[in-house]
Amino acid sequence: DVKVTQSSRYLVKRTGEKVFLECVQDMDHENMFWYRQDPGLGLRLIYFSYDVKMKEKGDIPEGYSVSREKKERFSLILESASTNQTSMYLCASSLLGNNIQYFGAGTRLSVL
Amino acid sequence: QQQVKQSPQSLIVQKGGISIINCAYENTAFDYFPWYQQFPGKGPALLIAIRPDVSEKKEGRFTISFNKSAKQFSLHIMDSQPGDSATYFCALRQGGAGSYQLTFGKGTKLSVIP
Repeated sequence: DVKVTQSSRYLVKRTGEKVFLECVQDMDHENMFWYRQDPGLGLRLIYFSYDVKMKEKGDIPEGYSVSREKKERFSLILESASTNQTSMYLCASSLLGNNIQYFGAGTRLSVL
Repeated sequence: QQQVKQSPQSLIVQKGGISIINCAYENTAFDYFPWYQQFPGKGPALLIAIRPDVSEKKEGRFTISFNKSAKQFSLHIMDSQPGDSATYFCALRQGGAGSYQLTFGKGTKLSVIP
């Protein structure tokens, strides 16, 4: 069964902290994605990766970076968290050449 | 710019009724049009998808209607059930080799009341 696991369901951080959100998939997918979901704004793509050590900016990359050292793991990094980064963060993966994206359950991040 | 406009933002339908959610897009280079369903506390999951070479696709109670000339596609849920209450997102994929990104609509929160 397809599985995308996000390490935390809820996270509370302080302004200025460095935050790591982790995502692991067990499907040997090449593509991995990070989105943020906000009410009334839908899902917006932050970064994606189509291979180990490869990354591409999405629509809203400012304030974020990513790391993909292993095929199964894709990390989202907030270098210095700010209150406007309070949001639900969703990780997804897909097989190369296949359009179906499989999502994790999300991490709800609150920055105080 | 907003590449896909989804409406309505919220929808309340009586059990047994038809739920209709619409999406309109601007760029003609899109070649894949999925709908995702998201229940509270869960990530979105693919519900049904269509390619632009067909005008309609049906899977059980769920139907996508696609109007290429009008650049619109819609999701119809027949005989809506309380278990269909969820948020629905339309999405588009840019055509071309090596294209992996989906652009999502803002979502429609559907509530089906008994």
